[in-house]
Amino acid sequence: DAEITQSPRHKITETGRQVTLACHQTWNHNNMFWYRQDLGHGLRLIHYSYGVQDTNKGEVSDGYSVSRSNTEDLPLTLESAASSQTSVYFCATQGQGAGELFFGEGSRLTVL
Amino acid sequence: AQSVTQPDIHITVSEGASLELRCNYSYGATPYLFWYVQSPGQGLQLLLKYFSGDTLVQGIKGFEAEFKRSQSSFNLRKPSVHWSDAAEYFCAVGGGTYKYIFGTGTRLKVLA
Repeated sequence: DAEITQSPRHKITETGRQVTLACHQTWNHNNMFWYRQDLGHGLRLIHYSYGVQDTNKGEVSDGYSVSRSNTEDLPLTLESAASSQTSVYFCATQGQGAGELFFGEGSRLTVL
Repeated sequence: AQSVTQPDIHITVSEGASLELRCNYSYGATPYLFWYVQSPGQGLQLLLKYFSGDTLVQGIKGFEAEFKRSQSSFNLRKPSVHWSDAAEYFCAVGGGTYKYIFGTGTRLKVLA
């Protein structure tokens, strides 16, 4: 079965460190998204990509970056982690035609 | 501006009782509408979606939702709740740009 794999599932890091969260999908979907989930805010879009070499900023992109070198992967990088970036991060993919999103199981990041 | 409002943060119902979760949206065009469910520690799973056509849509696990354009609503319903329905529910709206906006979620508690 096709799936979305996020790693690591849990990470603790220190303020100022660079962190990369991996997202790998076997759906062969062009559209990929990164969301963060925080209490009282629901899911907020960080970055998204419509295909290889395409990346776009979402509503909360400051302090985050992504790159898309192939269809399967969209890693999310926190250049210099801040305590405000403590959150649960979800990767999602979407097939053709503005269909539903498929979600990974999430990565819980704690920045101390 | 596009937005999704889920006015109920928490809802508690008894097992076997009926359920209605509210969702109101603001969107400039005909929206695509979704309901997702999230169990603790898990990603989001699609319950149902509305793109066009019949305004009453059926989903998985016995859920249904009705699109009411005049009220800008897409409320989720279930005639008889099971203990396993305890989870967090998210309404989402989107359109041709493929970027979806999520509500802040409603946490459902089911009493035995």
